[in-house]
Amino acid sequence: DGGITQSPKYLFRKEGQNVTLSCEQNLNHDAMYWYRQDPGQGLRLIYYSQIVNDFQKGDIAEGYSVSREKKESFPLTVTSAQKNPTAFYLCASTPGGADTQYFGPGTRLTVL
Amino acid sequence: GIQVEQSPPDLILQEGANSTLRCNFSDSVNNLQWFHQNPWGQLINLFYIPSGTKQNGRLSATTVATERYSLLYISSSQTTDSGVYFCAVNDRGSTLGRLYFGRGTQLTVWP
Repeated sequence: DGGITQSPKYLFRKEGQNVTLSCEQNLNHDAMYWYRQDPGQGLRLIYYSQIVNDFQKGDIAEGYSVSREKKESFPLTVTSAQKNPTAFYLCASTPGGADTQYFGPGTRLTVL
Repeated sequence: GIQVEQSPPDLILQEGANSTLRCNFSDSVNNLQWFHQNPWGQLINLFYIPSGTKQNGRLSATTVATERYSLLYISSSQTTDSGVYFCAVNDRGSTLGRLYFGRGTQLTVWP
């Protein structure tokens, strides 16, 4: 089946540790996105990538890093510099431009 | 960036009732999507509707781009309609595809 997968579903981290969230898509989409959702809030954009080996910061990029070495993969690293990392993280992709955006199932990150 | 406001923030209905959710946005857009977020957090596409009217079963949506608002209609509500409904838009001047989200409408449908 075509779609977007994210792993793990739940992730627990100790303060001071870096963690990497996986996002994979087999839709052959060019553009991929990472969003963060906090309770009672809408989604906010962390990073996005329109093409392999290129990515741009979104509205809340501080404390996060990404890579785009393959078209189908867009991993997000939450670094120890992120002051409040506990949140729900959603990955999305789109064929390009202003097309319909599709979302993965998300990863819930909790910092202990 | 574009400001997106959704109303009402919360809506409680009895099964069978109809409802209208509203989304106002502050600038011209070339993409507007309605999503339903289920209790497990999955965002499900309902409509891609930068302008005009679309219908899908009990749900329909209308976007009046010139007046910068969109409406989502839910008829004959069912308990499975419960969840958060988000409106998201893309800046018309941008080719980047990023979405700006509203805060959502929390819908609860009681049996």
